[in-house]
Amino acid sequence: GAVVSQHPSRVICKSGTSVKIECRSLDFQATTMFWYRQFPKQSLMLMATSNEGSKATYEQGVEKDKFLINHASLTLSTLTVTSAHPEDSSFYICSARGPLAEETQYFGPGTRLLVL
Amino acid sequence: SQQGEEDPQALSIQEGENATMNCSYKTSINNLQWYRQNSGRGLVHLILIRSNEREKHSGRLRVTLDTSKKSSSLLITASRAADTASYFCATGLAGGGNKLTFGTGTQLKVEL
Repeated sequence: GAVVSQHPSRVICKSGTSVKIECRSLDFQATTMFWYRQFPKQSLMLMATSNEGSKATYEQGVEKDKFLINHASLTLSTLTVTSAHPEDSSFYICSARGPLAEETQYFGPGTRLLVL
Repeated sequence: SQQGEEDPQALSIQEGENATMNCSYKTSINNLQWYRQNSGRGLVHLILIRSNEREKHSGRLRVTLDTSKKSSSLLITASRAADTASYFCATGLAGGGNKLTFGTGTQLKVEL
């Protein structure tokens, strides 16, 4: 149980385009999901907390108009990177709090974004 | 700055040996968790230890927590080549709303 999926797993896009990444909890409902960004050989940096039915809470330094988050249902959160630039190239990972709202987070497999 | 600092940054051992990774943090925590990440993949939860616990075991994993020193260690006994991965500690802060702050990670390589 507690499986989280992400789609797509890899995406290559041109500079200036927008890219949407989906995060789904497959076998449980997730009122809270988290979006992280990870650069090569570095740790995960929390970008924002996504709450079902309300606005996301962004971490300091993360542009909310750049990284749009929508948590429209109890099993789906989306992250849209708007007007992507090469510096947005990174590994984006989502997670969801477990089915019993425990402290453990269950992670998706990640999405590798390359902006040309 | 990141909450957790881990050492060593990289560790290379032979199969069958034990691997110990350390994590230090700066503020009060509610819990500390260890996660594993294979290259280019998502994270897998290994073990959670609460702030009022001192030691926890799960299979070949042993985690300790010393809140007075603000540090934790992860011990993997009888390591296997399949244990090769990056290991991260993550702290759930007191009053932090279930957010996790990740450490810098330790890259473990277990050689045959």
